[in-house]
Amino acid sequence: EAQVTQNPRYLITVTGKKLTVTCSQNMNHEYMSWYRQDPGLGLRQIYYSMNVEVTDKGDVPEGYKVSRKEKRNFPLILESPSPNQTSLYFCASRGNTEAFFGQGTRLTVV
Amino acid sequence: AQSVTQPDIHITVSEGASLELRCNYSYGATPYLFWYVQSPGQGLQLLLKYFSGDTLVQGIKGFEAEFKRSQSSFNLRKPSVHWSDAAEYFCAVGLPGGYQKVTFGTGTKLQVIP
Repeated sequence: EAQVTQNPRYLITVTGKKLTVTCSQNMNHEYMSWYRQDPGLGLRQIYYSMNVEVTDKGDVPEGYKVSRKEKRNFPLILESPSPNQTSLYFCASRGNTEAFFGQGTRLTVV
Repeated sequence: AQSVTQPDIHITVSEGASLELRCNYSYGATPYLFWYVQSPGQGLQLLLKYFSGDTLVQGIKGFEAEFKRSQSSFNLRKPSVHWSDAAEYFCAVGLPGGYQKVTFGTGTKLQVIP
């Protein structure tokens, strides 16, 4: 079954404590991306990757990092989280047609 | 740059009534067009997609959408809404090919009243 798996589903952390949200896909897609969803703003792209070791900024990259060491994995890293990064995060993987999404990670930074 | 507009932030319909959610896009060529649904606490599920050909596309859960090139629109419709359709709906566009991002509208939240 085609799947994008992200973990954890829920995370509460404190300001400044580094965290990583993992994302893995089993569809052999080259293109993967991270979005954040905020009320009234829809989904905005944070970072994307077109292949292993190829990453680039999306629309709202400040405060985030990513890496793509393997095709299937695309972790999102918050080196020093701040309260304005409290949001719902989605990892997506895209083949030739539509994007497939993970279940989301609800992050709260206090 | 491509953009998507969903002019209705919130819509309320009665169960059994018809539904139309509006979506307009901006791009020089015809992109791939999608509708996703997000139920409370859930991820995004693809309802339907348009690439080319017949401008009326059928999706899951009884939804359909019509692509109108002259209006740059891709409105979502359902003839009879069920209470379980209450969710947030996102229109999205993406350029053909696997190396292009998908751009989302801001979403329309659907409330269904008995």
